[in-house]
Amino acid sequence: KAGVTQTPRYLIKTRGQQVTLSCSPISGHRSVSWYQQTPGQGLQFLFEYFSETQRNKGNFPGRFSGRQFSNSRSEMNVSTLELGDSALYLCASSLRISQEYYNEQFFGPGTRLTVL
Amino acid sequence: KQEVTQIPAALSVPEGENLVLNCSFTDSAIYNLQWFRQDPGKGLTSLLLIQSSQREQTSGRLNASLDKSSGRSTLYIAASQPGDSATYLCAVRFANAGKSTFGDGTTLTVKP
Repeated sequence: KAGVTQTPRYLIKTRGQQVTLSCSPISGHRSVSWYQQTPGQGLQFLFEYFSETQRNKGNFPGRFSGRQFSNSRSEMNVSTLELGDSALYLCASSLRISQEYYNEQFFGPGTRLTVL
Repeated sequence: KQEVTQIPAALSVPEGENLVLNCSFTDSAIYNLQWFRQDPGKGLTSLLLIQSSQREQTSGRLNASLDKSSGRSTLYIAASQPGDSATYLCAVRFANAGKSTFGDGTTLTVKP
């Protein structure tokens, strides 16, 4: 069974540009969550998508957005990039049974974004 | 505020030692707690998931316990090996939070 895949693995952008990252969850998983990981802030939750709808959102500015497609693949977009957006972006998929019952989260390898 | 704390931030042990990693959380109303390991520059690998109704889970040399009333979880690693060297993270899914909250991790070094 294939794991969570993320593309691209590495990105270098300049300030002001925008970027789109992609995540394909494990087959059958309909919940996809995105996290930002930096040395100073650790792992911070960005948002969760389930059945093509954003279910939860972290405390990030509106420059960070996402969507989920009917095949559960998800994309996140960051517009008007800032130096502080340099981070490892991780996505996780899980078999969300209900609001109260989540199964294991499985993470992808991440996309390393560098903003110059 | 719902927070997760892992102490110590770093731990170094000789090969073969049994060790315990700690995770504390501020609210006993949780859905589950999950332990991960992360190797440098890589994604997170799931180790164990404990649902709110469970007290412990075991996988090979790993055993994780959960005490909601005291807001604590421990990850026990038996007979540590150099390959266990990594950062260990715990993630708590607090009830009604809609997300998992991660601790900052404990970086483990097992010396041959």
